[in-house]
Amino acid sequence: AQSVTQPDIHITVSEGASLELRCNYSYGATPYLFWYVQSPGQGLQLLLKYFSGDTLVQGIKGFEAEFKRSQSSFNLRKPSVHWSDAAEYFCAVGGYSGNTPLVFGKGTRLSVIA
Amino acid sequence: DTAVSQTPKYLVTQMGNDKSIKCEQNLGHDTMYWYKQDSKKFLKIMFSYNNKELIINETVPNRFSPKSPDKAHLNLHINSLELGDSAVYFCASSQGQGNEQFFGPGTRLTVL
Repeated sequence: AQSVTQPDIHITVSEGASLELRCNYSYGATPYLFWYVQSPGQGLQLLLKYFSGDTLVQGIKGFEAEFKRSQSSFNLRKPSVHWSDAAEYFCAVGGYSGNTPLVFGKGTRLSVIA
Repeated sequence: DTAVSQTPKYLVTQMGNDKSIKCEQNLGHDTMYWYKQDSKKFLKIMFSYNNKELIINETVPNRFSPKSPDKAHLNLHINSLELGDSAVYFCASSQGQGNEQFFGPGTRLTVL
C-alpha cells in the first residue's frame, strides 16, 4: 500500500537560512510525487510535482525537490527561506497506474524566525 | 475564475443539526474528493467520486453522506452534527486518481 512519511513534525529556521524538508514514500510502481503548502487559514497549493524525467524539479516560490529512487525520498529544499514561507508542508504520492487517490504525509510545520 | 470553490467558508451550528457543504469545480476533472483536516492539520480522506460514482468511502460515520449530481459538483451532507465533527473540510478534484489534486479553500465547521 502507498504511504508517505514526513519525519519532522515541526522545523524552525532563521530567515535567510537554507531549508530541507524530508519526505519518504512507499509505492509499488513508478510514483508521482507532490509537495503542497498550506498557509494559515488557507487551502493547499501545489508547490511542485514529479512525474518522470529530470529528478530535480523546480517549483514555485523558489522551491525545488529531488527524487531519489534508491532512497525512496523526495525532499523539498529552498536555499534561502523568507518569513512568508512559514506554513504547513505536505508531501503526497500517487501514480498513473494507481486506482487510489493521492496519499498524503502528516505534514511538517515550518516556522521562520528573524 | 476559482477552480475549486466551496460554500460556505465558515459554518457554525449546534449539535444535532443537519448541514450541507457544497463544492464545485470548473476544471473538467472526473474525480472529486472530500477531506477532513483536524486540529493537528492531518488530512484524512473521506470520500472519492469518479464520474459521479463513489469510489472511496473511508471509515466515516454514516451521518456523512456525499452527493454528486454531476461531475462538476460534490456536496457533503452531515446529519446529527456532533462536537467531534468540528474541523476544516476540503474539497478537491483531479483528472484521474493518483494525479495532481486541486483544492478548494476549505470550510471551517464549528459545532457548539
